[in-house]
Amino acid sequence: ILNVEQSPQSLHVQEGDSTNFTCSFPSSNFYALHWYRWETAKSPEALFVMTLNGDEKKKGRISATLNTKEGYSYLYIKGSQPEDSATYLCACSGSARQLTFGSGTQLTVLP
Amino acid sequence: DGGITQSPKYLFRKEGQNVTLSCEQNLNHDAMYWYRQDPGQGLRLIYYSQIVNDFQKGDIAEGYSVSREKKESFPLTVTSAQKNPTAFYLCASRLAGGTDTQYFGPGTRLTVL
Repeated sequence: ILNVEQSPQSLHVQEGDSTNFTCSFPSSNFYALHWYRWETAKSPEALFVMTLNGDEKKKGRISATLNTKEGYSYLYIKGSQPEDSATYLCACSGSARQLTFGSGTQLTVLP
Repeated sequence: DGGITQSPKYLFRKEGQNVTLSCEQNLNHDAMYWYRQDPGQGLRLIYYSQIVNDFQKGDIAEGYSVSREKKESFPLTVTSAQKNPTAFYLCASRLAGGTDTQYFGPGTRLTVL
């Protein structure tokens, strides 16, 4: 079982603030790193998948980076909006290609 | 519309009863998964199936059973042997090959009284 950790567990930011979260994972036996957004009463939605060291992905105001050598990924949100409020999950897959999830970062954006 | 459906959204059962949670997908995905979520914890894998008529235990399979008789369907039975069945259950599916991205259903919240 891979050990995937996310921090912080939760945070509150003001509308317009930029923020970031961290996902750490074992750098050995790594295949891919996934970020999901999970809004209340909805299904988790895939945001990004990254496989190569140095990968950067962007979707609107949200971006993510990957460092496979040191085993971490950052998710950035620029100019947070209330609709960004959600739990952000990261998941890591190894050679078995199954996903191991972190416990998530719960983001609340205050208007 | 293509997607994954889980029913019901909320389910209540008495202790000692088996209960089956439904998961159906019309995405033509090959693999299907069942996860459990408890407060403060990440999603934990219960069972998964890569092809019809085949499935494997995940990290927390004890007290659960599954079947995969059709590609579209992957029901999960929570048996009376599961010590702490009250939880939120999510089903997911994935197309073989590609990036391992899984697509999730809306979940079922099971409460055992």
